[in-house]
Amino acid sequence: DAGVIQSPRHEVTEMGQEVTLRCKPISGHDYLFWYRQTMMRGLELLIYFNNNVPIDDSGMPEDRFSAKMPNASFSTLKIQPSEPRDSAVYFCASSPGLAVPGTDTQYFGPGTRLTVL
Amino acid sequence: AQSVTQPDIHITVSEGASLELRCNYSYGATPYLFWYVQSPGQGLQLLLKYFSGDTLVQGIKGFEAEFKRSQSSFNLRKPSVHWSDAAEYFCAVGTSGTYKYIFGTGTRLKVLA
Repeated sequence: DAGVIQSPRHEVTEMGQEVTLRCKPISGHDYLFWYRQTMMRGLELLIYFNNNVPIDDSGMPEDRFSAKMPNASFSTLKIQPSEPRDSAVYFCASSPGLAVPGTDTQYFGPGTRLTVL
Repeated sequence: AQSVTQPDIHITVSEGASLELRCNYSYGATPYLFWYVQSPGQGLQLLLKYFSGDTLVQGIKGFEAEFKRSQSSFNLRKPSVHWSDAAEYFCAVGTSGTYKYIFGTGTRLKVLA
């Protein structure tokens, strides 16, 4: 398996522009997670999906952020409009969805480094 | 509330020396515990995990961790560190009833030649 795939790996944009990050989870995994990593705040969970349905979006910082999962093999995280404080590394992760919640292993993609000028 | 604390932000060790990274958790029930490693420019990779049973868990790359309920700790150890172990290490707890993790803030390991 190719693992979790994210694109682009690097994105540089100007304040006010729309940014779309993409993720392809591991085939057969039922859960998909979006994280943001910064020096100041560490690794933060933004949102996660189960079978393409958003389960918990309490970590989404504000309305400028939105995430979708139109099918089992694709998810997007969109920021519109982007701001310099959104600069971070954004990770996508997927997990199989084992019978006992909490015991799942999450498999992480390589991340997208976003810089907003 | 559930939480994970990694008290050491940075640790420096010499190559060949032993290593222990600390992790303390706060959780009411039996925790599901994980250690992940993040090499520079990479995503997080699972090193090992503990759910139940033997409290000493073996992982990849020669790492092990010991669950101590009395101390609410799950410290990561390696007897002899290699230069390639330089990375950031994250402890996480899986929350019962959900598929979310709570991650610690990470410990950045530097290895001296």
